[in-house]
Amino acid sequence: SQKIEQNSEALNIQEGKTATLTCNYTNYSPAYLQWYRQDPGRGPVFLLLIRENEKEKRKERLKVTFDTTLKQSLFHITASQPADSATYLCALDRDDKIIFGKGTRLHILP
Amino acid sequence: EPEVTQTPSHQVTQMGQEVILRCVPISNHLYFYWYRQILGQKVEFLVSFYNNEISEKSEIFDDQFSVERPDGSNFTLKIRSTKLEDSAMYFCASSEAQSGTEAFFGQGTRLTVV
Repeated sequence: SQKIEQNSEALNIQEGKTATLTCNYTNYSPAYLQWYRQDPGRGPVFLLLIRENEKEKRKERLKVTFDTTLKQSLFHITASQPADSATYLCALDRDDKIIFGKGTRLHILP
Repeated sequence: EPEVTQTPSHQVTQMGQEVILRCVPISNHLYFYWYRQILGQKVEFLVSFYNNEISEKSEIFDDQFSVERPDGSNFTLKIRSTKLEDSAMYFCASSEAQSGTEAFFGQGTRLTVV
């Protein structure tokens, strides 16, 4: 069955630095890969979607890469701020559903 | 900005009782989903719904669960004979298309089975 691994449960980054989160998956590559943000007690909020034929996607301070050969996506937040502290979820967009990884808890330290 | 709304925000129920969780998806969306998240664990897919029928369901979504779109706006999840292990956050989501588009999630219903 499809597995999604996000590199670490928690990540501490100094304010102003770039945070890089990793998502690896097994089995087949999805046509789309998505990243969501989840705050405690709240529902996931969509951030970015990247297609299998795209190498990179940017939105403001966010950047996502997608390497179907490595079966990996990297999610970058540049110039990180304490308000970026949250759990970030990698998600495979497959047919009639989105499958989520466990997420990485990101702490931006002031 | 359009949003998915869920009610109630918190539901406490006795083991063995039936609960109905309610959702109002975004009005022009055609695809609807239920997910659950047990405390400290990942967001898990339960079921997807399109054109008034289930399009896919997970192993979790057994005979204890059912979904319905009783009218043009509501989308419900019914859980029969609730068990302690059904305690979780339940999220409803909707999207415009089957794939390749963002899913909008509600704020969730926290179900506590006692």
